[in-house]
Amino acid sequence: GAVVSQHPSRVICKSGTSVKIECRSLDFQATTMFWYRQFPKKSLMLMATSNEGSKATYEQGVEKDKFLINHASLTLSTLTVTSAHPEDSSFYICSAFLAGGINEQFFGPGTRLTVL
Amino acid sequence: GQQLNQSPQSMFIQEGEDVSMNCTSSSIFNTWLWYKQDPGEGPVLLIALYKAGELTSNGRLTAQFGITRKDSFLNISASIPSDVGIYFCAGRNAGGTSYGKLTFGQGTILTVHP
Repeated sequence: GAVVSQHPSRVICKSGTSVKIECRSLDFQATTMFWYRQFPKKSLMLMATSNEGSKATYEQGVEKDKFLINHASLTLSTLTVTSAHPEDSSFYICSAFLAGGINEQFFGPGTRLTVL
Repeated sequence: GQQLNQSPQSMFIQEGEDVSMNCTSSSIFNTWLWYKQDPGEGPVLLIALYKAGELTSNGRLTAQFGITRKDSFLNISASIPSDVGIYFCAGRNAGGTSYGKLTFGQGTILTVHP
């Protein structure tokens, strides 16, 4: 149980295009999901907290117009990197919070974004 | 904001050796978690600690929640090649607007030589 998927696993795009990454909780409902960014051999940096049915809460220094988050259902959150640039290239990881009992975050496998 | 200091940053060990890594915080956490991340994958939860002083095992892994609630350690006994990866500690406060949010340590890169 507590499986989280991400799609796509890898994406390469041209500078200036937008990229959407999906995060799904496959066997549980998640009112809260989190989006992280990770650079090689570095720790996970929390970008935003995604709440079902409401606006995401962004961490300080994260541009909300650059990284659009939508959490339209209890099993799906999406992160859209708008007008991507090479400096947006990174490993993006989502997690879904399983509340009520376990109360822990379960992570997706990550999405490798490369912007040319 | 809160910061976690994790050490060591990296370890190179022989198969069969025991491993120890720890995290310290400038502030108190109500929960300590230990994750392992394989290359190109998301972190996987290894052990969760919920009470100060708690000592929990998961197979060859043992972790403890420090009495001061500002530190935790993870031990791996009799290491094997598949233990290779990055290990992260993470702390969480309960309740409030930050409910569920985790603060991660910098990670410990573990290399096991056969």
